[in-house]
Amino acid sequence: DIQMTQSPSSLSVSVGDRVTITCQASQDIKNYLNWYQQKPGKAPKVLIYDASNLETGVPSRFSGSGSGTYFTFTITSLQPEDIATYYCQQFDILPLTFGGGTKLEIK
Amino acid sequence: EVQLVESGGGPVKPGGSLRLSCATSGFTFSDNSMNWLRQAPGKGPEWVSSISTTSGHIYYADSVRGRFTISRDNAKSSLSLQMTSLRVEDTAVYYCARGGGAQHWGQGTLVTVSS
Repeated sequence: DIQMTQSPSSLSVSVGDRVTITCQASQDIKNYLNWYQQKPGKAPKVLIYDASNLETGVPSRFSGSGSGTYFTFTITSLQPEDIATYYCQQFDILPLTFGGGTKLEIK
Repeated sequence: EVQLVESGGGPVKPGGSLRLSCATSGFTFSDNSMNWLRQAPGKGPEWVSSISTTSGHIYYADSVRGRFTISRDNAKSSLSLQMTSLRVEDTAVYYCARGGGAQHWGQGTLVTVSS
C-alpha cells in the first residue's frame, strides 16, 4: 500500500496566517492526489484535485502543488471558516490511502 | 449538482448484517466507478471498496474482504454495500464516493456495531 505522510498533524493558527501543509507519498503517485477539508460532523469536502486543480466554488486562497512524491497545500490568508481538519489522499493505486490529517486550531 | 445520499446505517450486534445504499443524481452514474469509504470515530478516512462502471472490477480492503459485498445498479443510479459478520471495529460513518479519485462524497450513514 502507498503510505501518505502528512505534516504537521496539528497547527495553531491566527486569522490572516499563511498555512502550509505537506504530504509525502511512499512512491511516485504522479499527480493523483486530492486535498480535503473536514469539519466536525461533516463529510470530507474536496478542495484540490489532481494535486493542483481548485474544485469549483472553492475560494482561491486555497492552492495545491507538487507531483511525484511531494505535495504541498496552502491557505494564503486563513479565514475563521477554514478551521477544520485537512487530509491528503492518493488515488494512483488502490487501496486509496490518506494522510494522517492536519487539525487547524485557533491560536 | 452532484448528490450522493447514503442510507441503511444503524445499530447492529456483532455478527449481524446491514445493507447500505447510496442514491445518486447530478452526474452520469454509469460512467463513474464508485467507492465506499468509512471513518471510525476520531479517526481518519479509510477506503473500503471500489466497483468499476460495469461491475467487472471489484476491490476490497483486506479488513472487509469476504464479509462485505459492493454492488451497483446503473439503471437506478444506485450503489450498495452488503455487510455481514459485522465486528465492533466496523463501527464508523460510511460514505459513498464518486469516481476513481473518490472526489465527491455523500453525507454518510453511521453504523454502530455493539453488543
